[in-house]
Amino acid sequence: KNQVEQSPQSLIILEGKNCTLQCNYTVSPFSNLRWYKQDTGRGPVSLTIMTFSENTKSNGRYTATLDADTKQSSLHITASQLSDSASYICVVSSYSSASKIIFGSGTRLSIRP
Amino acid sequence: DAGITQSPRYKITETGRQVTLMCHQTWSHSYMFWYRQDLGHGLRLIYYSAAADITDKGEVPDGYVVSRSKTENFPLTLESATRSQTSVYFCASSGGYSYNEQFFGPGTRLTVL
Repeated sequence: KNQVEQSPQSLIILEGKNCTLQCNYTVSPFSNLRWYKQDTGRGPVSLTIMTFSENTKSNGRYTATLDADTKQSSLHITASQLSDSASYICVVSSYSSASKIIFGSGTRLSIRP
Repeated sequence: DAGITQSPRYKITETGRQVTLMCHQTWSHSYMFWYRQDLGHGLRLIYYSAAADITDKGEVPDGYVVSRSKTENFPLTLESATRSQTSVYFCASSGGYSYNEQFFGPGTRLTVL
């Protein structure tokens, strides 16, 4: 069964600290993996996308990694800011069908001043 | 304004009533999607459309009907609402189904009493 599992479910850190969110998947055949940020009460917004051949991609203070062999990805946030408080969703796509876009349940990140 | 919009933003209805959620995008994206988001679950695909007059089921289509007579509109209808359909509904559009980023609307919070 195609699945995307994220950990931790929730995380609280102090402003200025770094953190890493995890994503494990079993989607096959794999096409790409995308991280979305979802602010409370809003739709998700894409942060990064990675294909099979890419193992690191950055977007400002956000750095995503992908290990296609172990089917794991991480999202590292550097020097966190209060505006980083949101849910972060890992999404894995299979190239076989538009219905094979699997969303993880997300990690809810809270940044404390 | 350019973008993707949903209406209404909030809706309360009663069991057994028909409800239609509207989605409109101005990018002329070929693909459009409907998701529901519930606590403890990731976004789950209800229906998607690859082009006008082409629709297909996602993971949780039962109890929902869609149509797409124009590229820019993708309404979702609950023919006879049930309490289990209480959820937040997101519409998204994309230039493609896999690699292309999905752009999400602001969501519709639906409560079925």
